[in-house]
Amino acid sequence: DTGVSQNPRHKITKRGQNVTFRCDPISEHNRLYWYRQTLGQGPEFLTYFQNEAQLEKSRLLSDRFSAERPKGSFSTLEIQRTEQGDSAMYLCASSLALKPGNTIYFGEGSWLTVV
Amino acid sequence: DQQVKQNSPSLSVQEGRISILNCDYTNSMFDYFLWYKKYPAEGPTFLISISSIKDKNEDGRFTVFLNKSAKHLSLHIVPSQPGDSAVYFCAASGGGSQGNLIFGKGTKLSVKP
Repeated sequence: DTGVSQNPRHKITKRGQNVTFRCDPISEHNRLYWYRQTLGQGPEFLTYFQNEAQLEKSRLLSDRFSAERPKGSFSTLEIQRTEQGDSAMYLCASSLALKPGNTIYFGEGSWLTVV
Repeated sequence: DQQVKQNSPSLSVQEGRISILNCDYTNSMFDYFLWYKKYPAEGPTFLISISSIKDKNEDGRFTVFLNKSAKHLSLHIVPSQPGDSAVYFCAASGGGSQGNLIFGKGTKLSVKP
């Protein structure tokens, strides 16, 4: 399967702990995105990379959130000192920037529950 | 301020009939629109898209219509099948941001046998 891969799929953590999610994009895609989705809402943009450069960050991305894509391939999203409000599905997606329009393909998501 | 709005949280349709899902947007700079389908506990799956230079795009049972003057798009599914039951999200890109999609809140479609 050459789709976007995310792990872990589910994570339950205690408030105050750090968590890290990993995303492996579609191999030829140079753009990688992180979104967050909560119940009853559409996905909300967090940040995106083109190759290894982080080009845009949403104001939703507080100081406790950090994303990296060190070699322009896989990416990690770390949440420090988790809060109950961080409970959500974290979605990774990728696209080919030069493709007309900007069709973004999503992974299956990583569920985070903060207790 | 929601730039992409899906005003119907849910829609119920009989199998074999047409499903019409609607979406409105406010930012006239949006130049590309997409529809995604989402099953519970899975990521969104891309369905169909349309550029702002077109007013219709068709792919099998799915057709998207764009009315730029009304800032409105719709997704038609004909004929509807029970497997189409899912949440459908409208999304838009452009509008000054090069890197991301703005999503609506989704419409839950139920297709009854």
